[in-house]
Amino acid sequence: EVQLVDSGGGLVQPGGSLRLSCAASGFTFTNYWMTWVRQAPGKGLEWVANIKQDGSEKYYMDSVKGRFTISRDNANHSLYLQMDSLRAEDTAVYYCARTFGPRYSDYWGQGTLVTVSS
Amino acid sequence: QSALTQPRSVSGSPGQSVTISCTGTSSDVGAYNYVSWYQQHPGKAPKLMIYDVTKRPSGVPDRFSGSKSGNTASLTISGLQGEDEADYYCWSFAGSYTMVFGGGTKLTVL
Repeated sequence: EVQLVDSGGGLVQPGGSLRLSCAASGFTFTNYWMTWVRQAPGKGLEWVANIKQDGSEKYYMDSVKGRFTISRDNANHSLYLQMDSLRAEDTAVYYCARTFGPRYSDYWGQGTLVTVSS
Repeated sequence: QSALTQPRSVSGSPGQSVTISCTGTSSDVGAYNYVSWYQQHPGKAPKLMIYDVTKRPSGVPDRFSGSKSGNTASLTISGLQGEDEADYYCWSFAGSYTMVFGGGTKLTVL
Protein backbone atom coordinates (compact mmCIF):
# COMPACT_ATOMS: atom_id res chain seq x y z
CA GLU A 1 0.00 0.00 0.00
CA VAL A 2 1.36 3.40 -0.97
CA GLN A 3 1.80 5.66 2.05
CA LEU A 4 3.15 9.18 2.43
CA VAL A 5 3.48 10.55 5.96
CA ASP A 6 4.15 14.27 6.35
CA SER A 7 5.76 15.67 9.49
CA GLY A 8 7.75 18.58 10.85
CA GLY A 9 5.18 21.35 10.91
CA GLY A 10 4.71 23.72 13.81
CA LEU A 11 4.71 27.31 15.00
CA VAL A 12 7.67 29.44 13.95
CA GLN A 13 8.40 33.16 14.14
CA PRO A 14 8.74 35.29 11.01
CA GLY A 15 12.26 34.97 9.65
CA GLY A 16 12.66 31.54 11.20
CA SER A 17 13.30 28.14 9.66
CA LEU A 18 11.57 24.79 9.59
CA ARG A 19 12.27 21.47 7.90
CA LEU A 20 9.40 19.32 6.70
CA SER A 21 9.74 15.59 6.07
CA CYS A 22 7.74 13.09 4.08
CA ALA A 23 8.28 9.37 4.69
CA ALA A 24 7.35 7.21 1.70
CA SER A 25 6.55 3.50 1.65
CA GLY A 26 4.77 0.92 -0.45
CA PHE A 27 6.33 1.89 -3.79
CA THR A 28 9.70 2.26 -5.50
CA PHE A 29 10.59 5.77 -4.36
CA THR A 30 13.33 6.23 -6.96
CA ASN A 31 10.87 5.82 -9.84
CA TYR A 32 8.95 9.01 -9.10
CA TRP A 33 9.19 12.75 -9.09
CA MET A 34 8.00 14.16 -5.78
CA THR A 35 6.16 17.41 -5.10
CA TRP A 36 5.25 19.75 -2.24
CA VAL A 37 1.87 21.49 -2.41
CA ARG A 38 0.50 23.88 0.21
CA GLN A 39 -2.89 25.22 1.23
CA ALA A 40 -3.30 28.35 3.30
CA PRO A 41 -6.22 28.28 5.77
CA GLY A 42 -9.49 28.58 3.85
CA LYS A 43 -7.65 28.99 0.54
CA GLY A 44 -6.86 26.89 -2.52
CA LEU A 45 -4.03 24.54 -3.36
CA GLU A 46 -0.69 25.99 -4.43
CA TRP A 47 2.18 24.13 -6.06
CA VAL A 48 5.44 24.79 -4.16
CA ALA A 49 8.25 22.64 -5.59
CA ASN A 50 9.16 19.52 -7.57
CA ILE A 51 12.19 17.25 -7.50
CA LYS A 52 13.27 14.69 -10.07
CA GLN A 53 13.82 11.03 -9.24
CA ASP A 54 17.58 11.34 -8.68
CA GLY A 55 17.42 14.83 -7.14
CA SER A 56 19.31 16.38 -10.07
CA GLU A 57 16.52 18.78 -11.03
CA LYS A 58 14.47 20.97 -8.70
CA TYR A 59 11.83 23.56 -9.52
CA TYR A 60 10.11 26.15 -7.32
CA MET A 61 7.27 28.61 -7.38
CA ASP A 62 8.54 32.17 -7.68
CA SER A 63 7.65 33.32 -4.16
CA VAL A 64 9.75 30.63 -2.44
CA LYS A 65 12.81 30.67 -4.70
CA GLY A 66 15.93 31.33 -2.66
CA ARG A 67 14.11 30.63 0.62
CA PHE A 68 12.91 27.00 0.29
CA THR A 69 14.97 23.96 -0.71
CA ILE A 70 13.47 20.65 -1.76
CA SER A 71 15.59 17.54 -1.37
CA ARG A 72 15.27 13.79 -1.13
CA ASP A 73 17.09 10.85 0.46
CA ASN A 74 16.45 7.90 -1.82
CA ALA A 75 18.20 5.47 0.51
CA ASN A 76 15.71 6.32 3.24
CA HIS A 77 12.67 6.91 0.99
CA SER A 78 12.25 10.43 2.30
CA LEU A 79 11.41 13.83 0.87
CA TYR A 80 12.26 17.12 2.59
CA LEU A 81 11.44 20.80 2.38
CA GLN A 82 13.83 23.15 4.11
CA MET A 83 12.04 26.46 4.66
CA ASP A 84 14.10 29.51 5.62
CA SER A 85 13.23 33.20 6.02
CA LEU A 86 9.65 32.24 6.68
CA ARG A 87 6.89 34.81 6.24
CA ALA A 88 3.34 35.02 7.54
CA GLU A 89 2.08 34.23 4.04
CA ASP A 90 3.84 30.85 4.18
CA THR A 91 1.32 29.73 6.80
CA ALA A 92 -0.39 26.67 5.32
CA VAL A 93 -0.88 22.95 5.41
CA TYR A 94 1.95 21.41 3.40
CA TYR A 95 1.34 18.16 1.50
CA CYS A 96 3.90 15.92 -0.15
CA ALA A 97 2.75 14.02 -3.22
CA ARG A 98 4.00 11.29 -5.51
CA THR A 99 4.17 12.77 -8.98
CA PHE A 100 4.28 11.50 -12.54
CA GLY A 101 6.21 13.58 -14.89
CA PRO A 102 5.62 16.09 -13.36
CA ARG A 103 2.13 15.86 -14.85
CA TYR A 104 -0.07 14.84 -11.94
CA SER A 105 0.08 13.51 -8.41
CA ASP A 106 -1.71 10.29 -7.56
CA TYR A 107 -0.90 9.84 -3.85
CA TRP A 108 -0.76 12.52 -1.19
CA GLY A 109 0.37 12.73 2.40
CA GLN A 110 -2.01 13.79 5.13
CA GLY A 111 -0.42 17.23 5.37
CA THR A 112 1.47 19.07 8.10
CA LEU A 113 0.52 22.54 9.35
CA VAL A 114 3.07 25.34 9.34
CA THR A 115 2.13 28.51 11.21
CA VAL A 116 4.35 31.57 10.88
CA SER A 117 3.49 34.07 13.58
CA SER A 118 5.06 36.11 16.32
CA GLN B 1 2.73 31.51 -12.43
CA SER B 2 -0.79 32.96 -12.35
CA ALA B 3 -3.51 30.67 -11.07
CA LEU B 4 -5.88 29.07 -13.54
CA THR B 5 -9.43 30.46 -13.48
CA GLN B 6 -12.26 28.34 -12.09
CA PRO B 7 -15.78 29.35 -11.07
CA ARG B 8 -15.94 29.82 -7.32
CA SER B 9 -19.00 27.61 -6.99
CA VAL B 10 -21.35 25.36 -8.92
CA SER B 11 -24.37 23.39 -7.82
CA GLY B 12 -26.70 20.69 -9.02
CA SER B 13 -29.37 18.31 -7.83
CA PRO B 14 -28.81 14.58 -7.36
CA GLY B 15 -28.81 12.81 -10.69
CA GLN B 16 -28.02 15.95 -12.67
CA SER B 17 -24.77 16.81 -14.44
CA VAL B 18 -22.44 19.70 -13.71
CA THR B 19 -19.40 20.99 -15.54
CA ILE B 20 -16.51 22.88 -13.94
CA SER B 21 -14.31 24.93 -16.22
CA CYS B 22 -10.62 25.71 -15.83
CA THR B 23 -9.23 28.49 -18.00
CA GLY B 24 -5.53 29.06 -18.48
CA THR B 25 -3.34 30.35 -21.26
CA SER B 26 -1.48 29.14 -24.31
CA SER B 27 1.51 28.61 -22.00
CA ASP B 28 -0.16 26.08 -19.71
CA VAL B 29 -3.58 24.52 -20.36
CA GLY B 30 -3.47 25.30 -24.07
CA ALA B 31 0.09 24.10 -24.58
CA TYR B 32 0.03 20.66 -22.98
CA ASN B 33 -2.36 17.76 -22.48
CA TYR B 34 -1.31 17.61 -18.85
CA VAL B 35 -4.36 18.84 -16.97
CA SER B 36 -5.45 16.94 -13.88
CA TRP B 37 -8.39 17.35 -11.52
CA TYR B 38 -8.56 16.81 -7.76
CA GLN B 39 -11.42 16.40 -5.34
CA GLN B 40 -10.94 17.63 -1.78
CA HIS B 41 -13.31 17.09 1.09
CA PRO B 42 -12.96 19.36 4.15
CA GLY B 43 -9.91 18.53 6.24
CA LYS B 44 -8.75 15.86 3.81
CA ALA B 45 -5.92 15.52 1.32
CA PRO B 46 -6.73 16.02 -2.37
CA LYS B 47 -7.73 12.97 -4.41
CA LEU B 48 -6.83 12.54 -8.08
CA MET B 49 -9.95 12.26 -10.25
CA ILE B 50 -8.70 12.90 -13.82
CA TYR B 51 -5.21 13.10 -15.32
CA ASP B 52 -3.80 13.95 -18.74
CA VAL B 53 -7.04 15.81 -19.53
CA THR B 54 -9.28 12.78 -20.04
CA LYS B 55 -7.87 9.74 -18.20
CA ARG B 56 -9.50 8.33 -15.12
CA PRO B 57 -7.49 6.51 -12.42
CA SER B 58 -8.57 3.09 -11.31
CA GLY B 59 -11.35 3.34 -8.76
CA VAL B 60 -12.75 6.69 -9.89
CA PRO B 61 -16.36 6.33 -11.10
CA ASP B 62 -16.97 6.82 -14.82
CA ARG B 63 -19.41 9.58 -13.85
CA PHE B 64 -16.33 11.78 -13.82
CA SER B 65 -14.94 12.85 -17.20
CA GLY B 66 -12.53 15.46 -18.49
CA SER B 67 -12.08 17.39 -21.70
CA LYS B 68 -10.20 20.34 -23.14
CA SER B 69 -10.75 22.93 -25.83
CA GLY B 70 -8.10 25.52 -26.48
CA ASN B 71 -7.04 27.13 -23.22
CA THR B 72 -9.98 25.77 -21.23
CA ALA B 73 -10.24 22.37 -19.59
CA SER B 74 -13.45 21.01 -18.11
CA LEU B 75 -14.52 18.43 -15.55
CA THR B 76 -18.00 16.98 -15.95
CA ILE B 77 -19.71 15.04 -13.21
CA SER B 78 -22.82 13.20 -14.33
CA GLY B 79 -25.40 11.50 -12.13
CA LEU B 80 -24.54 13.75 -9.18
CA GLN B 81 -24.44 12.07 -5.79
CA GLY B 82 -24.27 13.54 -2.33
CA GLU B 83 -20.71 12.37 -1.77
CA ASP B 84 -19.60 14.44 -4.78
CA GLU B 85 -20.05 17.59 -2.72
CA ALA B 86 -16.50 18.85 -2.29
CA ASP B 87 -13.96 21.34 -3.60
CA TYR B 88 -12.48 20.62 -7.03
CA TYR B 89 -9.15 21.88 -8.32
CA CYS B 90 -7.58 21.74 -11.76
CA TRP B 91 -3.80 21.56 -12.12
CA SER B 92 -1.76 22.07 -15.26
CA PHE B 93 1.82 21.66 -16.32
CA ALA B 94 3.08 25.15 -17.19
CA GLY B 95 6.39 24.43 -18.85
CA SER B 96 9.90 24.34 -17.39
CA TYR B 97 8.66 21.65 -14.96
CA THR B 98 6.46 24.13 -13.11
CA MET B 99 2.83 23.55 -12.26
CA VAL B 100 -0.13 25.82 -11.66
CA PHE B 101 -3.44 25.17 -9.86
CA GLY B 102 -6.84 26.63 -10.42
CA GLY B 103 -8.40 28.64 -7.62
CA GLY B 104 -10.83 25.85 -6.78
CA THR B 105 -14.58 25.34 -7.21
CA LYS B 106 -16.99 24.44 -4.45
CA LEU B 107 -19.57 21.93 -5.65
CA THR B 108 -22.84 21.89 -3.77
CA VAL B 109 -25.29 19.03 -4.25
CA LEU B 110 -28.72 20.51 -3.60
